[in-house]
Amino acid sequence: QVQLQESGPGLVKPSETLSLTCTVSGGSISNYYWNWVRQPPGKGLEWVGYIYYSGSTNYNPSLKSRVTISVDTSKKQFSLKLSSVTAADTAVYYCARSNTAVVLSILRPYYFDYWGQGTLVTVSS
Amino acid sequence: EIVMTQSPATLSVSPGERATLSCRASQSVSSNLAWYQQKPGQAPRLLIYGASTRATGIPARFSGSGSGTEFTLTISSLQSEDFAVYYCQQYHNWPPMYTFGLGTKLEI
Repeated sequence: QVQLQESGPGLVKPSETLSLTCTVSGGSISNYYWNWVRQPPGKGLEWVGYIYYSGSTNYNPSLKSRVTISVDTSKKQFSLKLSSVTAADTAVYYCARSNTAVVLSILRPYYFDYWGQGTLVTVSS
Repeated sequence: EIVMTQSPATLSVSPGERATLSCRASQSVSSNLAWYQQKPGQAPRLLIYGASTRATGIPARFSGSGSGTEFTLTISSLQSEDFAVYYCQQYHNWPPMYTFGLGTKLEI
């Protein structure tokens, strides 16, 4: 059974960089896309971005200028950095795996089949 | 960006009754639509993918239908554990720009 676990500081100061790591266990990190999704308190879900195990990335255009996602396959971890944070970035951050399928010789990401439990990050001085 | 609109925002239903939740896409997403259930303090859980395929371990009382721009999640006989928030998500484009609906809260 695949399990994902987020870790990182729960409190970040405004203008600083939010950093989180997701550790994958119970399955391979290879041949999958790995996502970050966030949820402000009392609100809906927002996709932040993903990384393929090989390192290629795709980000939500609304956050693209501030987001970096990286992967360390040897540790079965992927990480999120979000720079210049404000109170609007306060949210529960989830990591999630995209199920994949081959379409026209491309391994494409689809729906999210495994999620971490989430970690609340508060932006406050 | 494909905008997903869910209705109603809140649905009040009694246990044992049927619940019908709707999701509309601003442009066709074919069958590239998933439904998730989220309970308070928990991560979302995949219920349905491909618009109509139940995920592993999901009870048969959950069913999904639709294609293109109109989708429906039906829960045939509500159990107490089904009261939660339900989100639809599209994963149509390549490269994907995943978008979720704002959710439907199913309450007793």
